[in-house]
Amino acid sequence: DAKTTQPTSMDCAEGRAANLPCNHSTISGNEYVYWYRQIHSQGPQYIIHGLKNNETNEMASLIITEDRKSSTLILPHATLRDTAVYYCIVRAFSGGSNYKLTFGKGTLLTVNP
Amino acid sequence: EADIYQTPRYLVIGTGKKITLECSQTMGHDKMYWYQQDPGMELHLIHYSYGVNSTEKGDLSSESTVSRIRTEHFPLTLESARPSHTSQYLCASSETDRANYGYTFGSGTRLTVV
Repeated sequence: DAKTTQPTSMDCAEGRAANLPCNHSTISGNEYVYWYRQIHSQGPQYIIHGLKNNETNEMASLIITEDRKSSTLILPHATLRDTAVYYCIVRAFSGGSNYKLTFGKGTLLTVNP
Repeated sequence: EADIYQTPRYLVIGTGKKITLECSQTMGHDKMYWYQQDPGMELHLIHYSYGVNSTEKGDLSSESTVSRIRTEHFPLTLESARPSHTSQYLCASSETDRANYGYTFGSGTRLTVV
């Protein structure tokens, strides 16, 4: 699976959009981009994933650049409860195969009042 | 509402004791995983299972062992606990052939060996 690079930490004001970048310049054509978050040492929580198109769900939006070498997770209106470590993970999926998720260091997002 | 359960949530135990950390899921997922995470550090995969009677070692070497006799149950055992085993242990599960949603994690067991 391709390696990802994320900033160590970021701050965001409550109510503002939080934009978390991820670089995955060695991503290959069949690799998906996944985002998880971990709040204060609880089990990580799935947020969103995508292959090449932008995706949106009730939690966040995922913007993937046209060359797929980077992506941005957007939390449109950050709240204090969004303070967490956010992990960007790239992995291949080819239906029917087994796979494992490898977590890096992630980005610690701190939402300030 | 959690669909994957880990017990105990916290455990303090003496050196040399045998311990089993329990993990059960009610989603019928065939794949299950154990991760180890020290405070403020990355998650490391230590064991995984792709189905009943299938277990594999993960990326991080661990003295623990696992078993998968039933689909819903994936316990982790330490035969003789040591202070170096102090850590948080997180269990997860996932479905085959599903790119969506990825893993579902439990709340973890925080183990302290004194």
